[in-house]
Amino acid sequence: EAGVVQSPRYKIIEKKQPVAFWCNPISGHNTLYWYLQNLGQGPELLIRYENEEAVDDSQLPKDRFSAERLKGVDSTLKIQPAELGDSAVYLCASSLGLFNEQFFGPGTRLTVL
Amino acid sequence: GENVEQHPSTLSVQEGDSAVIKCTYSDSASNYFPWYKQELGKRPQLIIDIRSNVGEKKDQRIAVTLNKTAKHFSLHITETQPEDSAVYFCAAREKDDKIIFGKGTRLHILP
Repeated sequence: EAGVVQSPRYKIIEKKQPVAFWCNPISGHNTLYWYLQNLGQGPELLIRYENEEAVDDSQLPKDRFSAERLKGVDSTLKIQPAELGDSAVYLCASSLGLFNEQFFGPGTRLTVL
Repeated sequence: GENVEQHPSTLSVQEGDSAVIKCTYSDSASNYFPWYKQELGKRPQLIIDIRSNVGEKKDQRIAVTLNKTAKHFSLHITETQPEDSAVYFCAAREKDDKIIFGKGTRLHILP
């Protein structure tokens, strides 16, 4: 069974440019999470979806970040415009419901120049 | 806001010895405590978890203990091996179902 898939794996952009990350969760997993992980830190939740509904987006900087999961399967996280401080690894995770183990994707390493 | 503190940030132990990583949490309603292992450049992977109705759980060389009164939980790795070298993260699920991660412990297993 395939794990959580993310693309791209690496992205380098200049500040003020837009960027988008894509995540395909494990088949059948209705709960999807986007995390930000800075170097030397633990993952920090940005947004959590239950099917297509964003049930927790309190940590998402909504002035520049947006996310969608239109059909309740794969999801896209967008930053527009990107800032230098957005450089980090963006991790996607999924689980079979809120109270089950989260499986992480390989992450997208974003570098903003 | 609620947080999870993790200590130490770096830990070096001789191969074969035991390693202990400790975490404290602030939300007394927290009910689920997973531990993740992250090797360099790779994704975090769950290695063990414990729920608030249990005081201890063991899986081969790995064990986790939970003290709800003191609001702390610990990861114990016995008979450490070189492949145990990684960053370990504790986490706690809080009353709003959000999982808060600690800052991580970099474990070095010395030959």
